[in-house]
Amino acid sequence: AQKITQTQPGMFVQEKEAVTLDCTYDTSDPSYGLFWYKQPSSGEMIFLIYQGSYDQQNATEGRYSLNFQKARKSANLVISASQLGDSAMYFCAMREGGFTGTASKLTFGTGTRLQVTL
Amino acid sequence: KAGVTQTPRYLIKTRGQQVTLSCSPISGHRSVSWYQQTPGQGLQFLFEYFSETQRNKGNFPGRFSGRQFSNSRSEMNVSTLELGDSALYLCASSLEGRLNTEAFFGQGTRLTVV
Repeated sequence: AQKITQTQPGMFVQEKEAVTLDCTYDTSDPSYGLFWYKQPSSGEMIFLIYQGSYDQQNATEGRYSLNFQKARKSANLVISASQLGDSAMYFCAMREGGFTGTASKLTFGTGTRLQVTL
Repeated sequence: KAGVTQTPRYLIKTRGQQVTLSCSPISGHRSVSWYQQTPGQGLQFLFEYFSETQRNKGNFPGRFSGRQFSNSRSEMNVSTLELGDSALYLCASSLEGRLNTEAFFGQGTRLTVV
């Protein structure tokens, strides 16, 4: 089974509008972390936001917020007030804690290509 | 604060050759992970080094190896290159590689095998 599922291969949004990128995950580990990364055409993966499995509140970082619904195992990224520079691939990723807590491996989804239009 | 530096940015190699990629993590970070990104397989975890020891390994053949030096810089080696090894190789740096610590990525090395 896929650990991270991103069902939207591509999305379009108009400048200044909000957009939600979907992410669902699958794990039986009670300790896990969820990440969103942005990858522009240059290739670098840029960290956007993090949500821990025990965090009570949804994470926010500037224009980015994470809509964390633990029971549904979803961690959607919301970008408010889209800008042309937001056009990129967006990846959802998960780290599972395991017993030792040395959760080094990130498991990525297949990504969503976001295109911001005028 | 300098980010993660990967060298070289681009490489073209011939089948059967071997290649070494380098990653300098953010100062103070002790965990370095490597990922392979291809259009077909997406982003896949290769291995992670922490304090010069391989701590975690993905499902890749033994042709893929790595090491980490005492200054946390890491190298990844691929021997006997195959066409399918053409990919973007990304290095990620973390303070400790723990559950809630961010992983900062470099710009990657784009390897083309011909």
